[in-house]
Amino acid sequence: ETGVTQSPTHLIKTRGQQVTLRCSSQSGHNTVSWYQQALGQGPQFIFQYYREEENGRGNFPPRFSGLQFPNYSSELNVNALELDDSALYLCATRRDRGSYNEQFFGPGTRLTVL
Amino acid sequence: DAKTTQPNSMESNEEEPVHLPCNHSTISGTDYIHWYRQLPSQGPEYVIHGLTSNVNNRMASLAIAEDRKSSTLILHRATLRDAAVYYCLKPSNTGKLIFGQGTTLQVKP
Repeated sequence: ETGVTQSPTHLIKTRGQQVTLRCSSQSGHNTVSWYQQALGQGPQFIFQYYREEENGRGNFPPRFSGLQFPNYSSELNVNALELDDSALYLCATRRDRGSYNEQFFGPGTRLTVL
Repeated sequence: DAKTTQPNSMESNEEEPVHLPCNHSTISGTDYIHWYRQLPSQGPEYVIHGLTSNVNNRMASLAIAEDRKSSTLILHRATLRDAAVYYCLKPSNTGKLIFGQGTTLQVKP
C-alpha cells in the first residue's frame, strides 16, 4: 500500500472518445508523474506536475493533457482515443520534484480502446 | 537522459541471495541510482536508491561501484514474493524515470 489511489481501475472506450483518469496522491506529495505502460513493456513517461504546473513532458501528443489540483490530486485526459492508447496508466507521487526522492506508484488504470 | 543496462532475466532459488546487476556507464557525478520492482498486475514499487555509498534498507542492499558506472541490487534471501521485474533507473534532474525492459526475476521453490 503506497497511499496513492487511482480511479477507475478498468475502463473500456471506443476510438475517438475521450477519457479522464484520476490520481489521489499521498499526503504532502506535491509532485505527480503519469506513465503509460503497454503490455510487456516498461512504463513510459507522459508528463509531470509540480504544484499545479506542468513540469516536464515526454514524447506524447497534445491530446494527452493533465491537471493538478490544489490538494495535489491529478487528472490525465486523453482526447480522440486511438487503439494504441490501450495500456495501463500509472501515476506516481513524491514529496518534492527532486530527482533523489522515491516515487510512490498507484495500482494503475487499465484502459482498453476498441 | 542516461540509460541503464540490465540482463533480461535471472533465476534464483528460494531463500538464497540474489545479485541483480546494472550498468550505468554514462552516469554523472550527481545522478542518483534508483531501483524499483513491479510485481504482476501491480504498479512499480520503490526498492532502494543511492548516490555513492552502499545502502541498506529492510527490503534490500545496494552496492555501488567505486567508479559509479555499475551497481548491484542484493536481495539477501529471495522469497517467492520477490518474483518481479526489477528496474534500475537514473532519474532525470526533474525526476523523470526512464524505464527499460528491466530484469525479470524468477524464484524457484
